[in-house]
Amino acid sequence: DAGVTQSPTHLIKTRGQQVTLRCSPKSGHDTVSWYQQALGQGPQFIFQYYEEEERQRGNFPDRFSGHQFPNYSSELNVNALLLGDSALYLCASSRRGTGVAVYGYTFGSGTRLTVV
Amino acid sequence: DAKTTQPNSMESNEEEPVHLPCNHSTISGTDYIHWYRQLPSQGPEYVIHGLTSNVNNRMASLAIAEDRKSSTLILHRATLRDAAVYYCILREARGGSEKLVFGKGTKLTVNP
Repeated sequence: DAGVTQSPTHLIKTRGQQVTLRCSPKSGHDTVSWYQQALGQGPQFIFQYYEEEERQRGNFPDRFSGHQFPNYSSELNVNALLLGDSALYLCASSRRGTGVAVYGYTFGSGTRLTVV
Repeated sequence: DAKTTQPNSMESNEEEPVHLPCNHSTISGTDYIHWYRQLPSQGPEYVIHGLTSNVNNRMASLAIAEDRKSSTLILHRATLRDAAVYYCILREARGGSEKLVFGKGTKLTVNP
């Protein structure tokens, strides 16, 4: 049973560009959350998607946006990239209503984004 | 956001028990306490969680203080594969949605 799949694994972009990261949740999960992890820090919550809608958002600017598709997969888009956006971007999936209280979140291995 | 406080690092010997402490004095009544661990170049891995009562699973035990302002993750016999950064996290559920609030975690070193 595949866990959470993220692509690409690594990415290098130039300041001002736009990037799209992708996530396929674990089978049976319908909720996707995105986290940003800077080097040496804990992950920071960006937003959560359920039923194709953004349900909660962390303290991130509007340059960060997302989408969830009918098959529960998700994309994270970042516009006008800054050097400070360089980080590991993690996707976590869960099953709403069971839920997290029983099994916890399943995280992917992340996408390492470097902005130069 | 409710916050957690953990020691930056701890060290243990293989085959010995490890007690990883966490303070969460601003926890609210509906916040679950979760523990995750993260190995280098990997995403966090779920370890255990609880609300009020102590919990046990195949990986670890979680001891929660009666006032819920602190908790302790217990690894009964540390192995080299347990070397990781351990995060004590509050799962905040608000308005039908939820999120995990991570701190900086405790880096656990296991000596052979």
